Amino acid sequence: AQSVAQPEDQVNVAEGNPLTVKCTYSVSGNPYLFWYVQYPNRGLQFLLKYITGDNLVKGSYGFEAEFNKSQTSFHLKKPSALVSDSALYFCAVRDDRGSTLGRLYFGRGTQLTVWP
Amino acid sequence: GAVVSQHPSRVICKSGTSVKIECRSLDFQATTMFWYRQFPKQSLMLMATSNEGSKATYEQGVEKDKFLINHASLTLSTLTVTSAHPEDSSFYICSAADGGGAGETQYFGPGTRLLVL
Repeated sequence: AQSVAQPEDQVNVAEGNPLTVKCTYSVSGNPYLFWYVQYPNRGLQFLLKYITGDNLVKGSYGFEAEFNKSQTSFHLKKPSALVSDSALYFCAVRDDRGSTLGRLYFGRGTQLTVWP
Repeated sequence: GAVVSQHPSRVICKSGTSVKIECRSLDFQATTMFWYRQFPKQSLMLMATSNEGSKATYEQGVEKDKFLINHASLTLSTLTVTSAHPEDSSFYICSAADGGGAGETQYFGPGTRLLVL
């Protein structure tokens, strides 16, 4: 079965500092991994994905994520946080087989707060 | 980027009435769409998977007669909450898959806030 874990409910960081939002995964097939961001009362916005290839994936708004197979992790990072990055971040893994092909399994979300 | 719209963004209705929510992929065709429900400060709960031209697949515990899903075209799926009750009040979000093979990505609508009085 596929699953992701986001061990931190909340991450606080000062503007200008680097940020990391953690995600670990468990899959029975290929790890197709995603990061989404959700602003209040809005749907999810796609940030980036790892399918294959380079372990460092670059995405929208200056975010990047590093796929680490040995640690089964896919942490989201940004070198310099902005106050406008404050939002709820979801890591997800996509099922790549069987009757649940295409389904996304979400972590519980991490609330990122960037203070001025 | 791929855009998914949802309408209405917000709806208030009386108990016992039905509410229809539309989900459209605006600039791509989506053979598969998904409907989620989100409770405050929680993750998304998948309700059903909708494939164009076929019956939706509902998750365990989701009443298919209460949450009717129709995926009439490659760009439109609708969710109808029938005989809505206050406990159906929630944030409903749809997504559309771009069918990109291994790299397939789900793009999400902005959500619909349903309040049943």
